[in-house]
Amino acid sequence: EVQLLESGGDLVQPGGSLRLSCAASGFTFNKFAMNWVRQAPGKGLEWVSTISAYGTYYADSVKGRFTISRDDSRNMIYLQMNSLRAEDMALYYCVKGLYFIDYWGQGTLVTVSS
Amino acid sequence: DIVMTQTPLSLSVTPGQPASISCRSSQSLLHSDGKTFLSWYLQKPGQSPQLLIYEVSNRFSGVPDRFGGSGSGTDFTLRISRVEAEDVGVYYCVQSTQFPRTFGQGTKVEIK
Repeated sequence: EVQLLESGGDLVQPGGSLRLSCAASGFTFNKFAMNWVRQAPGKGLEWVSTISAYGTYYADSVKGRFTISRDDSRNMIYLQMNSLRAEDMALYYCVKGLYFIDYWGQGTLVTVSS
Repeated sequence: DIVMTQTPLSLSVTPGQPASISCRSSQSLLHSDGKTFLSWYLQKPGQSPQLLIYEVSNRFSGVPDRFGGSGSGTDFTLRISRVEAEDVGVYYCVQSTQFPRTFGQGTKVEIK
């Protein structure tokens, strides 16, 4: 059974930093692209970033501030978030897949507020 | 960026009746490898989204056959042949043909 377990969400002040983690299990991790997708409170879904064998990709809204990485030896992906803004406040989902997302985690909540 | 436009944004359906949701993209979603990377998701209340359909018309494992997807190029449709109470939630289309990946605004489906 595929499982994706996010952690690291917290309350942070504008301009602050946070590192999200996602522990994956139930599939051959190093063979698959992984992503972060977010959902602001009461809003729709927004793709944030992808890490794949072809490289890393970012939404324009986070480019230069967020960094996605992975540790295939630990079946983990990370999202380092710097210079956080109020508009970054959202539930962040760790999701699996390159050309379609087949599994989603439960999400970790990032709150940006002073 | 490819803009994904869903219609309608909300839908109220009688159980047992059909329903359809349209998703249009601002550019063709045909990839250079010949596939079209358009997928559909359902986010039930209080839950994470779940995959229903990938590559336009392929049902994901465990998805009931009352869900069907069709379309090509820039016009796509999700159809539910007979809506059930458990189908309530918000439906999203998303394109994965190019970066940035882009989602439709979502269509909220409720039961009459």
